[in-house]
Amino acid sequence: QQQVKQSPQSLIVQKGGISIINCAYENTAFDYFPWYQQFPGKGPALLIAIRPDVSEKKEGRFTISFNKSAKQFSLHIMDSQPGDSATYFCAATPYNFNKFYFGSGTKLNVKP
Amino acid sequence: DVKVTQSSRYLVKRTGEKVFLECVQDMDHENMFWYRQDPGLGLRLIYFSYDVKMKEKGDIPEGYSVSREKKERFSLILESASTNQTSMYLCASSSDRGAKNIQYFGAGTRLSVL
Repeated sequence: QQQVKQSPQSLIVQKGGISIINCAYENTAFDYFPWYQQFPGKGPALLIAIRPDVSEKKEGRFTISFNKSAKQFSLHIMDSQPGDSATYFCAATPYNFNKFYFGSGTKLNVKP
Repeated sequence: DVKVTQSSRYLVKRTGEKVFLECVQDMDHENMFWYRQDPGLGLRLIYFSYDVKMKEKGDIPEGYSVSREKKERFSLILESASTNQTSMYLCASSSDRGAKNIQYFGAGTRLSVL
């Protein structure tokens, strides 16, 4: 049973548009929610992360929105660029715990 | 910069062969992980280790074993490779100090079992 459900599986966005990727979880013990970005031929790398004491975290064009009551969180990429084309994984874990639970991934293609 | 190095980018093996995937990290991290990545399934944890000679099963340990004889090195072993183990394998490491919740990944080993 997948602990973190991610959608959509793939996403095509025009340059300058907003990309939105959604994740949902059930385990209320989760309290750390990172997003990882993976370019072709590379391993995933941490992009941005949030803890549930805030509802939103922004770093440049990337924003995580967090809804604790709905147990959902999402990644918004504003002004999407072709260089953002990659696979994005959400994850969840109890804070300071070693084991991450990853979503199934979203392949983003930003068209020029 | 943290560096996690996986010894091979591509491997082709025959069914029944014993396969070793090697991973080395250079940041003195306590924790190391092996994942497999399959389309539509995301990253699934095979095994992890939080100390030398220590190991914990992840979500899909069947058909795999691991070895951690030195802190910087974590090996994944397929005792008898099967075609359903064809996949991308990713190694990661993390620290118990400082930024504890960041996992650093290697570039992956794409294994084909024929």
